[in-house]
Amino acid sequence: GAVVSQHPSRVICKSGTSVKIECRSLDFQATTMFWYRQFPKQSLMLMATSNEGSKATYEQGVEKDKFLINHASLTLSTLTVTSAHPEDSSFYICSASGSGGQGAYEQYFGPGTRLTVT
Amino acid sequence: AQTVTQSQPEMSVQEAETVTLSCTYDTSESDYYLFWYKQPPSRQMILVIRQEAYKQQNATENRFSVNFQKAAKSFSLKISDSQLGDAAMYFCAYLQTGKLQFGAGTQVVVTP
Repeated sequence: GAVVSQHPSRVICKSGTSVKIECRSLDFQATTMFWYRQFPKQSLMLMATSNEGSKATYEQGVEKDKFLINHASLTLSTLTVTSAHPEDSSFYICSASGSGGQGAYEQYFGPGTRLTVT
Repeated sequence: AQTVTQSQPEMSVQEAETVTLSCTYDTSESDYYLFWYKQPPSRQMILVIRQEAYKQQNATENRFSVNFQKAAKSFSLKISDSQLGDAAMYFCAYLQTGKLQFGAGTQVVVTP
């Protein structure tokens, strides 16, 4: 099956610094990647959608200058949390969907990244 | 706007028994996909089952089956012969125009 990896799995950073999270599709070309945020005991909230080579589309209420998304290739998308603050501490999950075929609609999820800002 | 409602915050089931999780959704579209995802303590999202709205036949995957009622906009998940490994948070999700919208989730507790 389709595999999506995320790196790092957990990161601790100091307030005011930036942190980058990578999302990779290992065995398929991901034309679209999604970034979600999940607080404890809550559901997944879509932050943004990115297509390879295009600017990301952010959901309402998500600060695009704080959460920078780059989808430079068909296998890699990155989320950079800039000037992180404790309230940015959360679990970040990426997913990817491929191009064409029956599985075009299906999203494959990465294992998530736990971000803690101190 | 589409919304997905899971009205059961937690469901408890004994091993080998059956549990049904409810999900309703709101949409004006006729063509869409519905999913159930499982999120165990590892927090890895795992696809349990999918249903295409144009298909009248309910989807099944081994011990997991759905009851899809399109007119009622209902999409319940039945877990048969429950196992300890089924303990997890279960999310119902609606997909349209490429985006997934998730319900609040139902925590399934499996007791020996």
